[in-house]
Amino acid sequence: QSVLTQPPSVSEAPRQRVTISCSGSRSNVGNNAVIWYQHLPGKAPKLLMYYDDLLPSGVSDRFSGSKSGTSASLAISGLQSGDEADYYCAAWDDSLNNWVFGGGTKLTVL
Amino acid sequence: EMQLVESGGGLVQPGGSLRLSCSASGFIFDEYAMHWVRQPPGKGLEWVSGISWNSFSRGYADSVKGRFSISRDNANKSLYLEMNTLRPDDTALYYCAKGSAAGFSEYFHHWGQGILVTVSS
Repeated sequence: QSVLTQPPSVSEAPRQRVTISCSGSRSNVGNNAVIWYQHLPGKAPKLLMYYDDLLPSGVSDRFSGSKSGTSASLAISGLQSGDEADYYCAAWDDSLNNWVFGGGTKLTVL
Repeated sequence: EMQLVESGGGLVQPGGSLRLSCSASGFIFDEYAMHWVRQPPGKGLEWVSGISWNSFSRGYADSVKGRFSISRDNANKSLYLEMNTLRPDDTALYYCAKGSAAGFSEYFHHWGQGILVTVSS
């Protein structure tokens, strides 16, 4: 059971928009920045979003992040087949003194 | 180009030990925290351990505390994970990851390709 809660899967058609939620608690998402990673099969995970809503250099602006209270979300617009991947949220947990992850969300582009 | 290359994985019996290594290049190794993150087969990512730039601070997931030990050699740009009393549920792909700052409570933003550890009799 992951500390952060994500939906196991989401799906949407090409060129549409999808959001992936990440729910935590005050000790992690509520007090600390949420990070998002994209994990393509057979590849190393890739940083997608940091400090809740900041895009690393080289990441498409089709990706956006937001946070309110103890919940965060990742939005992907203009869906492409190449976006099919597993997406993970993560945050530092002040109570556990650990990094915690969500269980991951598998994105399918229909 | 930033590179992290893991080595030392393999098949080990329950109760056995293994030492993972991660060789870093393309960045100033001794300015950044480093981490180990694992992914069991068919499951999600799990943070295993982190170490600050100067080795003064180290952290472990509860699931490995007392069995695993993280260390680094800044002169040789290497990160290590000593794994003892291994259990079948330690079977996973282990990733080495570079922190974004000196302390390991900051996010990690570059990952290696991973190395497989299988614990089975």
